[in-house]
Amino acid sequence: DTEVTQTPKHLVMGMTNKKSLKCEQHMGHRAMYWYKQKAKKPPELMFVYSYEKLSINESVPSRFSPECPNSSLLNLHLHALQPEDSALYLCASSQPILSQGPAYEQYFGPGTRLTVT
Amino acid sequence: SQQGEEDPQALSIQEGENATMNCSYKTSINNLQWYRQNSGRGLVHLILIRSNEREKHSGRLRVTLDTSKKSSSLLITASRAADTASYFCAMSGRGALNFGKGTSLLVTP
Repeated sequence: DTEVTQTPKHLVMGMTNKKSLKCEQHMGHRAMYWYKQKAKKPPELMFVYSYEKLSINESVPSRFSPECPNSSLLNLHLHALQPEDSALYLCASSQPILSQGPAYEQYFGPGTRLTVT
Repeated sequence: SQQGEEDPQALSIQEGENATMNCSYKTSINNLQWYRQNSGRGLVHLILIRSNEREKHSGRLRVTLDTSKKSSSLLITASRAADTASYFCAMSGRGALNFGKGTSLLVTP
């Protein structure tokens, strides 16, 4: 099974709401990622988890809170978002990366299209 | 983090023609990867080339890497309408991937 699943597919939320994005993989990958992608732009790395521990946080605002409850699941908790946070949020997984080591092929989910009103 | 520059930004060709897109980067890399993205969906990994490799093939795809010029190219031969997508190069840096700005490819029947 080489599939990464993400739920929900679409999410509309107000600026005062709290919501969560979910990602799941069953490939035994021990590295999982969150990316943000705006229209016609490349994906921007947000967070990297390696062996269920946060290893990279690309200076993401605290209104985005990641969580990795186990090796198969990755959540992104959202609170007090701004309209400019509207984007496609992509989850990916791969073999774990050694510090400063080469990146492996990443498997991406289909994304959650988030709209903040 | 480094972001690659890809050119062209957009490319329109007819079915059966070849499509070439280029990627340039700034710092040393461990490997370089190419991904395809259809209509704002998830990315699909196409090919990975290591820093000590110069050329790699996968089906209709051919990737070259010139580390002295810090550049890579992706060639899609005999293109099909289904190849219409955005293509991104991704540089393997400090344990993560940094994506280039992408090339939007349109293949018309």
